[in-house]
Amino acid sequence: QKEVEQDPGPLSVPEGAIVSLNCTYSNSAFQYFMWYRQYSRKGPELLMYTYSSGNKEDGRFTAQVDKSSKYISLFIRDSQPSDSATYLCAMSLNNFNKFYFGSGTKLNVKP
Amino acid sequence: EAQVTQNPRYLITVTGKKLTVTCSQNMNHEYMSWYRQDPGLGLRQIYYSMNVEVTDKGDVPEGYKVSRKEKRNFPLILESPSPNQTSLYFCASSRQYSNQPQHFGDGTRLSIL
Repeated sequence: QKEVEQDPGPLSVPEGAIVSLNCTYSNSAFQYFMWYRQYSRKGPELLMYTYSSGNKEDGRFTAQVDKSSKYISLFIRDSQPSDSATYLCAMSLNNFNKFYFGSGTKLNVKP
Repeated sequence: EAQVTQNPRYLITVTGKKLTVTCSQNMNHEYMSWYRQDPGLGLRQIYYSMNVEVTDKGDVPEGYKVSRKEKRNFPLILESPSPNQTSLYFCASSRQYSNQPQHFGDGTRLSIL
């Protein structure tokens, strides 16, 4: 069983839609949870990170962590065509040396 | 400009011919790491380094070597490449023991024939 599971998509939505991206994980020791965005032919860039359970909001993006269910989500409000990319979840223990990534969900926001 | 620079960006080579992918960062970061990205498998960590002369294995270290002789550089060495090492490789760096973001390079696409 993979440490982190993520639906690969692709997910296609109209501009302005609310997007929900999700990951599940198996290791209850994960403490830090991150979402990266990756455009084609580029390296991933960090969107958001959260520590332990709870919500974090940054502009149109909201990250949620439910440690009891081992489930994390990223919500994108008022999605834009520029949000079209692959979104990767990632997790780390409390030492920031090893990171575990999901396989990524490809999102396409149609104008 | 803060950058992680990888070279080469693309390489096609043959089985058994030693190759090195270089990675350099200009942010004075202590932590550096190498990943490979394969369809359906996502990013998998190969090796990481917490600081100069300190390296450790990630999840998929077999067939790879690294060294960290200088803070800014973290080369990935394939001593005897095989076709199953055909992949997209990323180098990343960040502050040590930090929740600050890892900065990624733009990737190196290796094809081993």
